[in-house]
Amino acid sequence: EIVLTQSPGTLSLSPGERATLSCRASQTVSSTFLAWYQQKPGQAPRLLIYGASGRATGIPDRFSGSGSGTDFTLTISRLEPEDFAVYYCQQYGSSPITFGQGTRLDIK
Amino acid sequence: EVQLVESGGGVVRPGGSLRLSCAASGFTFADHAMSWVRQNPGKGLEWVSGINWNGGSTGYADSVKGRFTISRDNAKNSLYLQMNSLRAEDTALYHCARVQFCSGTSCYRGNFDIWGQGTMVTASS
Repeated sequence: EIVLTQSPGTLSLSPGERATLSCRASQTVSSTFLAWYQQKPGQAPRLLIYGASGRATGIPDRFSGSGSGTDFTLTISRLEPEDFAVYYCQQYGSSPITFGQGTRLDIK
Repeated sequence: EVQLVESGGGVVRPGGSLRLSCAASGFTFADHAMSWVRQNPGKGLEWVSGINWNGGSTGYADSVKGRFTISRDNAKNSLYLQMNSLRAEDTALYHCARVQFCSGTSCYRGNFDIWGQGTMVTASS
């Protein structure tokens, strides 16, 4: 099983700042089958990024994904108030599908 | 509107059974692999099970293998999860999710572009 470790656990930033979230895999993620999701309280997760760097439909271009192999990054270039949420990475290249434990992005 | 709506959750004693359903609308259900993903309140996400477009290929997390069975009825645009021998640690909100792009030849894995709001399962005596 591929274990995904996200860091930091909590990130406190202000609107307008840049956020960099990390997701490290215990083994190589096949063919960059890595996705990122955003989840707000009481809501289902929302797909942001697929294939490590592909932006999902309707996602603003301030969200970007990068990385390959075992190291992946989600970057939010300029934080908007609605971006404060929990973010999860997911690998779907190997069974079982696994998720990271999440990074909470808080308003500073 | 593309939508997934889960039902069938509830409170059950450990050792009991439940059958979850997920009704899909607004898209061609048979074109997509599907999965169940659960979330303990205040905790992270755990993939439970996945199924390819025609039900010919399935996968399970080790934690539920042998106890849970995923199935689908494309004529009814519905996904199911039969949960037997429930344990306290199965308590969670269960989401169904649509696979956007599948991986692997069996194509029951993938990333998830549409999620339902979930149905709560509580296994408690």
